[in-house]
Amino acid sequence: RKEVEQDPGPFNVPEGATVAFNCTYSNSASQSFFWYRQDCRKEPKLLMSVYSSGNEDGRFTAQLNRASQYISLLIRDSKLSDSATYLCVVNNQGGADGLTFGKGTHLIIQP
Amino acid sequence: SAVISQKPSRDICQRGTSLTIQCQVDSQVTMMFWYRQQPGQSLTLIATANQGSEATYESGFVIDKFPISRPNLTFSTLTVSNMSPEDSSIYLCSVEHSGQGLQQYFGPGTRLTVT
Repeated sequence: RKEVEQDPGPFNVPEGATVAFNCTYSNSASQSFFWYRQDCRKEPKLLMSVYSSGNEDGRFTAQLNRASQYISLLIRDSKLSDSATYLCVVNNQGGADGLTFGKGTHLIIQP
Repeated sequence: SAVISQKPSRDICQRGTSLTIQCQVDSQVTMMFWYRQQPGQSLTLIATANQGSEATYESGFVIDKFPISRPNLTFSTLTVSNMSPEDSSIYLCSVEHSGQGLQQYFGPGTRLTVT
């Protein structure tokens, strides 16, 4: 299974700041892309899917660059509750093969 | 999204024994998956649980060690057999949502410690 790579952090960011995470994936045939959030000792929860045209959900913006095999997540006006591990996730074959997870980027929002 | 429950939520087991983990979904789903998350690591796919046929295992995982059942479209079990301390991990089931982008939703996980 091909890898998904992320900067593990931690990213220490003051409340209200903007923070960006990046992720690269090695399988050019990858079809679906997601960002998941995982809180300590909890299961991963879907934050958002990532589409080729880029997509936004409130304070969160995701971008996909297929040519560079690069995915990004931007969080604006960060809140204390945004502190978590953010997992970059790739589905390689339309669902039949499950998901490949990056190791996650740890974000700490400081008051 | 589907509501997914797992039992047990946690267990402490002796080496050499086996533990069966149950995953229940509140709606019928085609695809169910089992993952493992070892301490400090991300999730690794163990297998895809297929209804009515044998599970499909990822490289490094075998049926003798991790037998899986999928008797219907709402339920699956994963057994961790002949456990060793290296099997200490969180085991999670997930289901695929057939909406946009084939999203997956996860159960709360089973925290297993093998002594």
